[in-house]
Amino acid sequence: GESVGLHLPTLSVQEGDNSIINCAYSNSASDYFIWYKQESGKGPQFIIDIRSNMDKRQGQRVTVLLNKTVKHLSLQIAATQPGDSAVYFCAEVSSGNTPLVFGKGTRLSVIA
Amino acid sequence: ETGVTQTPRHLVMGMTNKKSLKCEQHLGHNAMYWYKQSAKKPLELMFVYNFKEQTENNSVPSRFSPECPNSSHLFLHLHTLQPEDSALYLCASSQEFLAGGRFGELFFGEGSRLTVL
Repeated sequence: GESVGLHLPTLSVQEGDNSIINCAYSNSASDYFIWYKQESGKGPQFIIDIRSNMDKRQGQRVTVLLNKTVKHLSLQIAATQPGDSAVYFCAEVSSGNTPLVFGKGTRLSVIA
Repeated sequence: ETGVTQTPRHLVMGMTNKKSLKCEQHLGHNAMYWYKQSAKKPLELMFVYNFKEQTENNSVPSRFSPECPNSSHLFLHLHTLQPEDSALYLCASSQEFLAGGRFGELFFGEGSRLTVL
């Protein structure tokens, strides 16, 4: 599942620190957003989602923030662990029967 | 283990070959998808099947031919491919293909890595 060769933004974080991964979207009609994690050799896995009527949602060690004014989405990972090393994708859905649109992804590297 | 199984995991084929990718989901879902993940582009949706009916064909060349015999199985038949078709092909499923949130959570397989020589 690795995106070998794809020029991805990369974030390197020390183990135990917090990580913030950002995503900009362009479609103001998008009303549902999802973060996926893709580890090497695997398919993407759902992490957390948020609807446009919210600006924050928390999961276990993860928080998603949505700023509709500037069309910006972020994923915060608390106390980053080596197992968090992966490519993270944001995806958006606009209202209506439309499929997910995935962003290019950010590669998170955790330094032990 | 996501409940979505893809075979083969790796496939090398010549441009004149015919091969097929297989996907099986054990989640009781009704929607299945093919995505292409290549080195130069983000995840691209290729096809969507909802209750065995094709609902999306994202301008995919005819050398890719999907087949969905039932809600649990999805195939991608490959014929006369080009080297630029080399990529990771991901299958996914979801409960149903509906607007907004109920569509949202896709369960992906681990992908079939295709190399076209």
